[in-house]
Amino acid sequence: GAGVSQSPSNKVTEKGKDVELRCDPISGHTALYWYRQSLGQGLEFLIYFQGNSAPDKSGLPSDRFSAERTGGSVSTLTIQRTQQEDSAVYLCASSLKWNTEAFFGQGTRLTVV
Amino acid sequence: DAKTTQPNSMESNEEEPVHLPCNHSTISGTDYIHWYRQLPSQGPEYVIHGLTSNVNNRMASLAIAEDRKSSTLILHRATLRDAAVYYCILRKSGTASKLTFGTGTRLQVTL
Repeated sequence: GAGVSQSPSNKVTEKGKDVELRCDPISGHTALYWYRQSLGQGLEFLIYFQGNSAPDKSGLPSDRFSAERTGGSVSTLTIQRTQQEDSAVYLCASSLKWNTEAFFGQGTRLTVV
Repeated sequence: DAKTTQPNSMESNEEEPVHLPCNHSTISGTDYIHWYRQLPSQGPEYVIHGLTSNVNNRMASLAIAEDRKSSTLILHRATLRDAAVYYCILRKSGTASKLTFGTGTRLQVTL
């Protein structure tokens, strides 16, 4: 694909349900980032994968949030027992190396009702 | 981690140059200065980055102070499509370094 692809583009879920958000990075990119952006707010860092290194999970807001990156490619962000405050746009980005430009996907808009 | 300080908002007229400032007085020698921007309803996009020397690309120029405690992103001729939030980010050298966004400067461009 030409760019970073995220799915679904929109997700409405009921409070308490689990959700999975998917990110397909640009092929060959070793670095992958997840962020979330609440309405009118800045980007909040969640997690960073770089190659085979242990991911930097320092931004995950609670243990309800987890992410994995399989085979150094596709990444899934899982939110368990969703809460209304989890409503936000979740953005994924990838870069060829740690110090090269990051390309962002269009995001997944999550709404918890 | 070293922090950046940017004005909350700026205005510019179309076709005029725009100078977006960023202060980073606690920058360390291994910190790269990155700029990204986020257009309305879109994900951020890379603009430019540098370490010590001024940098130019097709989108903008980055002027870095000699002491590296501040930098300026220069848009040579603002257009309406440049209206966005501009983020100045310090990123340490090394694979463990993540990309952390602050609050940025919201640039308004008017006719």
